[in-house]
Amino acid sequence: QSVLSQPPSVSGAPGQRVTISCTGSRSNIGARYDVHWYQQLPGTAPKLLISGDDDRPSGVPDRFSGSRSGTSASLAITGLQAEDEADYYCHSYDNDLGGWVFGGGTKLTVL
Amino acid sequence: QVQLVQSGAQVKKPGASVKVSCKVSGDRLTELSIQWLRQAPGKGPEWMGGFDPEHAETIYAQNFQGRVTMTEDASADTAYMELRNLTSDDAAMYFCATASTDYWSGFPHWGQGALVVVSS
Repeated sequence: QSVLSQPPSVSGAPGQRVTISCTGSRSNIGARYDVHWYQQLPGTAPKLLISGDDDRPSGVPDRFSGSRSGTSASLAITGLQAEDEADYYCHSYDNDLGGWVFGGGTKLTVL
Repeated sequence: QVQLVQSGAQVKKPGASVKVSCKVSGDRLTELSIQWLRQAPGKGPEWMGGFDPEHAETIYAQNFQGRVTMTEDASADTAYMELRNLTSDDAAMYFCATASTDYWSGFPHWGQGALVVVSS
């Protein structure tokens, strides 16, 4: 059971917008720790997609954006493309555990 | 550009120990905060521990305290993670990664992963 909860799967057609939720608690997202998002393609390491709630590292398209509210955060992907099909993970810090925590991951399928 | 290259896959028996290396290039190891994570098949990454630059010490996740040791050889720009008393639950891909410069902005660089198989 992951500390951060994500839906197991989401799907969308090319060109559509999808969102992936990440639900935490008062000891992590609710404690105002930044939320980061990663994209993982099969057989590869996770790639940092969004840092500090809504900052994109160099090279990440602006189709990807992050937001947060209370004890939750969301990743939005607009203009869905076939190459966006991957697993997505949220990541934050938990002050009760004294360390970094991740979501269980959401598999995005592009229909 | 920082690159992390990890050692290869290992097969271990239950009760044994495993040591994974992580060679850094593109920057000095002493300038980075190396973190160690693992990922079981179909699961999210699990943080095992790493260097906390704010307190200048290595910290370990509660789930691994007493069973894991993370060390660094600055002269070789290489970090190591040793996990002891392996069980089948420890079978996973093990990753090293760097925390961001300010420690709080995610893990921008990752190694390719090192597969650990635990089998009798």
